[in-house]
Amino acid sequence: ETGVTQTPRHLVMGMTNKKSLKCEQHLGHNAMYWYKQSAKKPLELMFVYNFKEQTENNSVPSRFSPECPNSSHLFLHLHTLQPEDSALYLCASSGRGEGSNQPQHFGDGTRLSIL
Amino acid sequence: AQSVTQPDIHITVSEGASLELRCNYSYGATPYLFWYVQSPGQGLQLLLKYFSGDTLVQGIKGFEAEFKRSQSSFNLRKPSVHWSDAAEYFCAVGAYNTDKLIFGTGTRLQVFP
Repeated sequence: ETGVTQTPRHLVMGMTNKKSLKCEQHLGHNAMYWYKQSAKKPLELMFVYNFKEQTENNSVPSRFSPECPNSSHLFLHLHTLQPEDSALYLCASSGRGEGSNQPQHFGDGTRLSIL
Repeated sequence: AQSVTQPDIHITVSEGASLELRCNYSYGATPYLFWYVQSPGQGLQLLLKYFSGDTLVQGIKGFEAEFKRSQSSFNLRKPSVHWSDAAEYFCAVGAYNTDKLIFGTGTRLQVFP
């Protein structure tokens, strides 16, 4: 499924670098999400945006900074990350129907490694 | 608070055998329930969902799941597994009028020829 595209697919960075992850959805959805997926842990919701407005920040450290310029694009700006931030970062989108009954569609993720 | 438990971390089956993956949830009202599958190097793909109505729901790739309120369960089944079904499977629960999904820790399925 190519409805949600994430770039880059892989990223290796040092702890002092600044980089950004990009997500783009072509499904006409209104809500977009960032998740962190670490080995042996449940998927962790990081941020939620609805109609470009942030509606959820799940106690994410400030070294992660999201940006949603429009309903189709979502960025995750990274700076001074820690080794424990190494993970797969997944972007998802959903239609803004009633409740949470609109399934979320996921991208293939960015595999992030912090040196 | 909502929670999801997938008791089986790893399951191995032979190709052609039947499959049942367990999912138990905790939620005070009628939940929205989902099963997703993740192949290596890929994101999560929706297999099926339950919102209301018929408690037996059909999904893609020959999967089905049954909602049992009395047992707080939403187990995923497939009558005959194919080698291409080897992947990680996630159960998730959502609440009415929120954007949040709570995911289980996943069950890794291995299929032997």
